[in-house]
Amino acid sequence: DAKTTQPTSMDCAEGRAANLPCNHSTISGNEYVYWYRQIHSQGPQYIIHGLKNNETNEMASLIITEDRKSSTLILPHATLRDTAVYYCIVRGATGANSKLTFGKGITLSVRP
Amino acid sequence: ETGVTQSPTHLIKTRGQQVTLRCSSQSGHNTVSWYQQALGQGPQFIFQYYREEENGRGNFPPRFSGLQFPNYSSELNVNALELDDSALYLCASSLVAGGIDEQFFGPGTRLTVL
Repeated sequence: DAKTTQPTSMDCAEGRAANLPCNHSTISGNEYVYWYRQIHSQGPQYIIHGLKNNETNEMASLIITEDRKSSTLILPHATLRDTAVYYCIVRGATGANSKLTFGKGITLSVRP
Repeated sequence: ETGVTQSPTHLIKTRGQQVTLRCSSQSGHNTVSWYQQALGQGPQFIFQYYREEENGRGNFPPRFSGLQFPNYSSELNVNALELDDSALYLCASSLVAGGIDEQFFGPGTRLTVL
């Protein structure tokens, strides 16, 4: 079972920041937080991951709370092409815990 | 650098038949994972292959089997197809070399079982 909980859906206006929350209250000290997204009928696309510190790349920023029980994925300037299902995943580093366990994700709709 | 490719893109089979799906991993990757995604659900882990050996399996029956070849490409075989096997089948490749890996997904094969 997925170790994360996400809202079912949210929307935001094009050009605005999209803040996608995720709860992972049972995360262990050596588990990472990963984000993937899936645009309709395509394979999931890796976005970003982090362990303790906040992370930023060309796609997004990941903010992890100090207690690591929740995180927020930030798309700084959402476009219509960012409409997708976003999956927050807690993942171990090695062995059986390293598989990706997807929940249902959050559907982000970006409106013009 | 080529990405992950899968074939065929779509497939229709009837109940009881067998099917083979194929995945070519991204250049430089040594690990392939397979996932099943039913309509409206997130992908579910089937199994992973590392250096031609199964390296972890999800909650799927033995009629789901796989292979990985020396060039790291992979096959997923499903015997005795059931209606519930209708799904999008995704493969993901990664480079496992100690520590965490990033899995890159292919576009998937849409299997319909009638």
